Amino acid sequence: DQQVKQNSPSLSVQEGRISILNCDYTNSMFDYFLWYKKYPAEGPTFLISISSIKDKNEDGRFTVFLNKSAKHLSLHIVPSQPGDSAVYFCAASAFGSSNTGKLIFGQGTTLQVKP
Amino acid sequence: NAGVTQTPKFQVLKTGQSMTLQCAQDMNHEYMSWYRQDPGMGLRLIHYSVGAGITDQGEVPNGYNVSRSTTEDFPLRLLSAAPSQTSVYFCASNPGQVTFNYGYTFGSGTRLTVV
Repeated sequence: DQQVKQNSPSLSVQEGRISILNCDYTNSMFDYFLWYKKYPAEGPTFLISISSIKDKNEDGRFTVFLNKSAKHLSLHIVPSQPGDSAVYFCAASAFGSSNTGKLIFGQGTTLQVKP
Repeated sequence: NAGVTQTPKFQVLKTGQSMTLQCAQDMNHEYMSWYRQDPGMGLRLIHYSVGAGITDQGEVPNGYNVSRSTTEDFPLRLLSAAPSQTSVYFCASNPGQVTFNYGYTFGSGTRLTVV
């Protein structure tokens, strides 16, 4: 049973436009959400996070939105740049309630930003 | 400061052989995890640890063993390799106290092929 789902395997946007990557989760115990970026032949790198007490977190061009009632989060990249082309993973954890260190990932979305 | 170091980077095994994937971190992180990445499946959690002497199963633990005798090391053992274990394996670590803008640090991965 996939607890974290990224239903769009790929996304293509034009340079300078907004990229919106979506993620859904099923476990209501999740209270901490992260986005990772991965280039080929490299390990994932942490991008941005949000806790369940917030509904938005910004870091430069990256903003994560959390809708707890819908169990949905999204990553907005504005403006998109060709260097943003990578696989983006959504991840979730119940750190606050269980402190297990268990982090569950989605399937990933491949973003292509065209010049 | 090397971060998370995985060895080897590449490995080919024959079905039935055993081997250990090594993972070491020099950041004094409490939490460590092992993931496998397969096409269309994202990153799936194999085993994780919240400290020396403490391990637990993730989403896909069958066929793998782990132990955590020191804070620094978290080896992953394949007892009897099967072609289904062909994958890219990532080790990751986290301080153990999640702050708002921090996440797991990943190694660069081990690409394993079982023939």
